Amino acid sequence: GNSVTQMEGPVTLSEEAFLTINCTYTATGYPSLFWYVQYPGEGLQLLLKATKADDKGSNKGFEATYRKETTSFHLEKGSVQVSDSAVYFCALSDQAGANSKLTFGKGITLSVRP
Amino acid sequence: GAGVSQSPRYKVAKRGQDVALRCDPISGHVSLFWYQQALGQGPEFLTYFQNEAQLDKSGLPSDRFFAERPEGSVSTLKIQRTQQEDSAVYLCASSLELYDEQFFGPGTRLTVL
Repeated sequence: GNSVTQMEGPVTLSEEAFLTINCTYTATGYPSLFWYVQYPGEGLQLLLKATKADDKGSNKGFEATYRKETTSFHLEKGSVQVSDSAVYFCALSDQAGANSKLTFGKGITLSVRP
Repeated sequence: GAGVSQSPRYKVAKRGQDVALRCDPISGHVSLFWYQQALGQGPEFLTYFQNEAQLDKSGLPSDRFFAERPEGSVSTLKIQRTQQEDSAVYLCASSLELYDEQFFGPGTRLTVL
C-alpha cells in the first residue's frame, strides 16, 4: 500500500535560516505529491504540489521537487520567517486510483524564533 | 465565508454514547472525504463520496462508524457506542471534481471519556 515517511520533529530555527523537511514515499502507480500546512488554530491548507516526476512545486517561497529515483519530495525554503511556524504534512494521492484520497505523513512542527 | 464548515467544533462523549458529526462542503463540490487524525499523527482516510454515492468506505475502522450524504451536499459521520480509541480530530474535505484540490474544514475534536 501507499505510505509517506517524514523526518522526526519538532524543528526549531532562527528567522532567516534555511529549512529542509525530508519526505519519502512508497506508492504503487503514479502518485501526485503534496505538502499541506496547518497554522495554529487553522485548518489544513495546500501549500504546494507536483503531479509527475521532476516537477517542482512552489508557493510562498517554499519549494519541493518530485524525485522518482529517490522516491522523495523534500520541502525547502531559503529564509524562514516567524510566520512560517506551523505543522507541515507531506501527502500523496494515487491519481490512477478509484479516488484521490490522500495518504499523509505524521507531520512535523516547525517553530521559527525571531 | 465559503469554505468547508464542520460542527460541532468540539464534542465530549461518555463511552458508549452515539455521536453525529456534520460537514458542510463548499457549494457545488462533488467529492467529499472524511479523515481521522489521532493526536500527533497525520490524517487517515475514512470514506469518500461522489455526490450522494459512497464509493469508498475502506478506511472506516469498524461497523460502529457510518457516514451518509443523502442529498449530495451536507454529510454526517456517525459513531455508535463510542470508545476511548475513537478520540481524535475528524476532518472533512471537499473538492470540485474527483482529482481537484481538496479543501479542508477546521475539524471536530472528539473526546471520549
